[in-house]
Amino acid sequence: GAVVSQHPSWVICKSGTSVKIECRSLDFQATTMFWYRQFPKQSLMLMATSNEGSKATYEQGVEKDKFLINHASLTLSTLTVTSAHPEDSSFYICSARDPWTGVNTEAFFGQGTRLTVV
Amino acid sequence: AQTVTQSQPEMSVQEAETVTLSCTYDTSESDYYLFWYKQPPSRQMILVIRQEAYKQQNATENRFSVNFQKAAKSFSLKISDSQLGDAAMYFCAYRTRGADGLTFGKGTHLIIQP
Repeated sequence: GAVVSQHPSWVICKSGTSVKIECRSLDFQATTMFWYRQFPKQSLMLMATSNEGSKATYEQGVEKDKFLINHASLTLSTLTVTSAHPEDSSFYICSARDPWTGVNTEAFFGQGTRLTVV
Repeated sequence: AQTVTQSQPEMSVQEAETVTLSCTYDTSESDYYLFWYKQPPSRQMILVIRQEAYKQQNATENRFSVNFQKAAKSFSLKISDSQLGDAAMYFCAYRTRGADGLTFGKGTHLIIQP
């Protein structure tokens, strides 16, 4: 299957700073990528849909000014957590779908990023 | 809004036995997709099986099969000949045909007893 790479795998940052997480599709071009958040021992919650060359679509309750998403190329989407606070500590996972295999195929997931804000 | 419900927070099965994980969902759509994902301790999401709602035949992937009851909005996963490597969190997920992101259930922690 297609490969989605996420970087970094884990990051620790100080409260008030910003941190950027990258999501790359390695062997296909992804016009759409997705960002999820997973709290410990809980499910994945869709945060936003990242569209190449346009603004991201955020789910209800997700602060777009706090979670900045940029999808500047067909292989890279970034999630920046701005002015991070301890409550932003979580596991963030991206996914992408390979459009050449059909719009109705499954999404491929990155390995996730564990963010700890101290 | 669509919702996915997994009523079993944890299940335990003996190695080589069969186990069924339950999933129900709520939607007003007629065309959609259902998935089961496995999340091992590494937390990498792995697709186990998918089902298109317009297909009446239940999907099967080796030891994994589903029982899709569209009218009842039920989508259970059966794992046959359970192996130690099957131990993980299992998430049921839903997506409409035209939509993008997945809606996940809360997950079932599957324990395999040797």
